[in-house]
Amino acid sequence: QSALTQPASVSGSPGQSITISCTGSSSDVGGYNYVSWYQQHPGKAPKLLIYEVTNRPSGVFNRFSASKSGNTAFLTISGLQPEDEADYYCTSYTGINTRVFGTGTKVTVL
Amino acid sequence: EVQLVESGGGLVKPGGSLRLSCVASGFTFSPYSMNWVRQAPGKGLEWVSYITGSSSPIHYADSVKGRFTISRDNAKNSVYLQMNSLRAEDTAIYYCARGLQYAFDMWGQGTMVTVSS
Repeated sequence: QSALTQPASVSGSPGQSITISCTGSSSDVGGYNYVSWYQQHPGKAPKLLIYEVTNRPSGVFNRFSASKSGNTAFLTISGLQPEDEADYYCTSYTGINTRVFGTGTKVTVL
Repeated sequence: EVQLVESGGGLVKPGGSLRLSCVASGFTFSPYSMNWVRQAPGKGLEWVSYITGSSSPIHYADSVKGRFTISRDNAKNSVYLQMNSLRAEDTAIYYCARGLQYAFDMWGQGTMVTVSS
């Protein structure tokens, strides 16, 4: 199972909105509504931001939103803050009882 | 406090074995599925294994199938990863993560496994 494809890096200025894509196939992202997104700061464990494509766990700011179209999922960060500078990963259920992560995206706040 | 704490990492020679443990606290452990996820130095995340609250079914990534075994003891609020026939490419931080509808909603701090001669 190949990793889902994410852009290596995305940047934006404080207050701007940025969108990270996560491209898979009909066997994973396109086939199931089980895409989730994670934020990871350097040296820290990942943190769940979004599950089941669009759902935010309690405690996650509503600046983080997500969607899916076909085989590609998207994470949007609105009103970019300095603390949003981190690595972001998507993951999807694959239907063959496995899960696959994205390649990861480094977000830089300019 | 709700948390997961991993232990058992260390330095092991290629072909060797290691057993990782993850102890949960602050929540009712038995209903939750649990996962192991790893991250090689400077690399991305890789899902390794999954176990339901009742210990069946169990799933593995192809990269570890036949070498790693996941298990749990609900009486001890613990999940384990027995790793045999270790290879250099198994070198990584290993995280245990609680399952939430095919997502991972809580993570431990990780334990480092280094496979080197």
